[in-house]
Amino acid sequence: EAGVTQFPSHSVIEKGQTVTLRCDPISGHDNLYWYRRVMGKEIKFLLHFVKESKQDESGMPNNRFLAERTGGTYSTLKVQPAELEDSGVYFCASSHRTGGGHEQYFGPGTRLTVT
Amino acid sequence: AQKVTQAQTEISVVEKEDVTLDCVYETRDTTYYLFWYKQPPSGELVFLIRRNSFDEQNEISGRYSWNFQKSTSSFNFTITASQVVDSAVYFCALSEAQVGDAGNMLTFGGGTRLMVKP
Repeated sequence: EAGVTQFPSHSVIEKGQTVTLRCDPISGHDNLYWYRRVMGKEIKFLLHFVKESKQDESGMPNNRFLAERTGGTYSTLKVQPAELEDSGVYFCASSHRTGGGHEQYFGPGTRLTVT
Repeated sequence: AQKVTQAQTEISVVEKEDVTLDCVYETRDTTYYLFWYKQPPSGELVFLIRRNSFDEQNEISGRYSWNFQKSTSSFNFTITASQVVDSAVYFCALSEAQVGDAGNMLTFGGGTRLMVKP
């Protein structure tokens, strides 16, 4: 079974440009999460999808970030326009069941560098 | 608000030494879950263990063991006879119990980088 995959693995863009990150969850996993680790800080939750619906987007930093999961399969996270403070590693995770306490399976992350 | 603290940012040991990674958490919930994840150089976070707040039994899996103590809000992780392949960043995380379609957002500690030297 394939794990969670993320694309690209690394992206370098200039301030003001747009970047789109993609996450493919484990097949059959309805729950998809985005997290971010900014340099020197903890990994922070961004949002949670159940199938194609946003269940919780309380961690999204501002309206420059737009996440979608059309069809309930893969998800994209668009940053527009990117700012320097958006640099970090963006992780995607998926899980099969909802509710509390279920392990989430993480992808390798996308390292975003905004210059 | 939930919080997870991993006071050790970096630990260096020599192969075959035992090492304990500390994790202290804060939560107002009575039902919650604790996790440990390993991040090897390849970057992905690998799930190691989950404990719920009602199960304080210690757990052992091969060279890995976990000590959960509610009285001190700690969930420490010990690697016995460490090996070079154990070198990685280890994260402790906490989530609340949820019902229905609510997910279990993870609150992470800052991570501990473990370096095992041959």
